[in-house]
Amino acid sequence: EAQVTQNPRYLITVTGKKLTVTCSQNMNHEYMSWYRQDPGLGLRQIYYSMNVEVTDKGDVPEGYKVSRKEKRNFPLILESPSPNQTSLYFCASSIRTARDEQFFGPGTRLTVL
Amino acid sequence: AQSVAQPEDQVNVAEGNPLTVKCTYSVSGNPYLFWYVQYPNRGLQFLLKYITGDNLVKGSYGFEAEFNKSQTSFHLKKPSALVSDSALYFCAYGQNFVFGPGTRLSVLP
Repeated sequence: EAQVTQNPRYLITVTGKKLTVTCSQNMNHEYMSWYRQDPGLGLRQIYYSMNVEVTDKGDVPEGYKVSRKEKRNFPLILESPSPNQTSLYFCASSIRTARDEQFFGPGTRLTVL
Repeated sequence: AQSVAQPEDQVNVAEGNPLTVKCTYSVSGNPYLFWYVQYPNRGLQFLLKYITGDNLVKGSYGFEAEFNKSQTSFHLKKPSALVSDSALYFCAYGQNFVFGPGTRLSVLP
């Protein structure tokens, strides 16, 4: 089944404790992206990747890191999480660009205490 | 700056009635526009997109959207709403990954 998977689905952590949210797609898509969803703000893009070893900042990249060492994986790293990063996070992929249909993962709900 | 607006936070409609969820855009260049739907505790799902060509775009689950260049709008429509259509709907501009704030649709039995 074609899908985007994220882990973990739920995470509660404390300020300053490094964490990684994994994202993987099995559709051989070139484009991958991370979003955060906050009430009333819709989805805001954090980082995106056009292909392996190519990443770029979205609208809200501060406090986040990403890597794209393999085509299928695009982990999101929070080196020192803070409470304002409490949010619902989505990974997405598309065949080539953001102009193509995006497939979204199920989401990761992160709480930073 | 590129932006997408959804002027209504909430839309209520009775089952069987037509529904419209509004979206307006302010972008430069080609307006690659999308509609996505989010059901509770799920990721977003693609409904339809406008890239070029026919202004009336048909999508999944009986939804359609009309691109109107003069009014800079891309409203989502369905002739007969179902209770199962109740969800959060997002309009998006594909060129630089901009999403609207979302509109919650409630279809009442």
